[in-house]
Amino acid sequence: GAVVSQHPSWVICKSGTSVKIECRSLDFQATTMFWYRQFPKKSLMLMATSNEGSKATYEQGVEKDKFLINHASLTLSTLTVTSAHPEDSSFYICSARVGRQNTEAFFGQGTRLTVV
Amino acid sequence: AQKITQTQPGMFVQEKEAVTLDCTYDTSDPSYGLFWYKQPSSGEMIFLIYQGSYDQQNATEGRYSLNFQKARKSANLVISASQLGDSAMYFCAMREGPTGGYQKVTFGTGTKLQVIP
Repeated sequence: GAVVSQHPSWVICKSGTSVKIECRSLDFQATTMFWYRQFPKKSLMLMATSNEGSKATYEQGVEKDKFLINHASLTLSTLTVTSAHPEDSSFYICSARVGRQNTEAFFGQGTRLTVV
Repeated sequence: AQKITQTQPGMFVQEKEAVTLDCTYDTSDPSYGLFWYKQPSSGEMIFLIYQGSYDQQNATEGRYSLNFQKARKSANLVISASQLGDSAMYFCAMREGPTGGYQKVTFGTGTKLQVIP
């Protein structure tokens, strides 16, 4: 089946630095990818929809300048957390749309970000 | 109002028995999709089953079946013959929006299932 690979699986960074997370579709082309954030023991919160070749669509309350999304190719979307703060520490997970049913069925492995 | 409601924060089931995880949803969109995902402690999200709003029959995938009751707006997941490896968080999700247009997936708060030997 379709595979979505996310890298890195975990990262620790200092406050004020930026961190880039990659989401790749390994065996299919993904025109649309989604970025979620999951707080401990909580559900997934959609942050933004990443569209290849155009600007991402951000959900209400998500800071565009803080969470930069780039979808430069049909197989790669990146999420950059800029000027990271400890409150940005979370589990970030991407997914890609596949199939004729347009089901959002495949997720990356997730990235555990810890800002110290 | 919550789009997706999972009222069971935690469930226990004996190994080899069946278990039903509840999910109700709220939408005015006539076209929508319902999903169930499994999230083990490792964090990855694993797709289990999908039900389209126009599908006439309940979806089934191996030991997983989705009890879709459209009038009641419920989409319960049934796991038959539970295995120890089924212990995980289970999320119900709904996709709304027109095909080809902007679509959004909303997740429930999850149910933690623990299978007891």
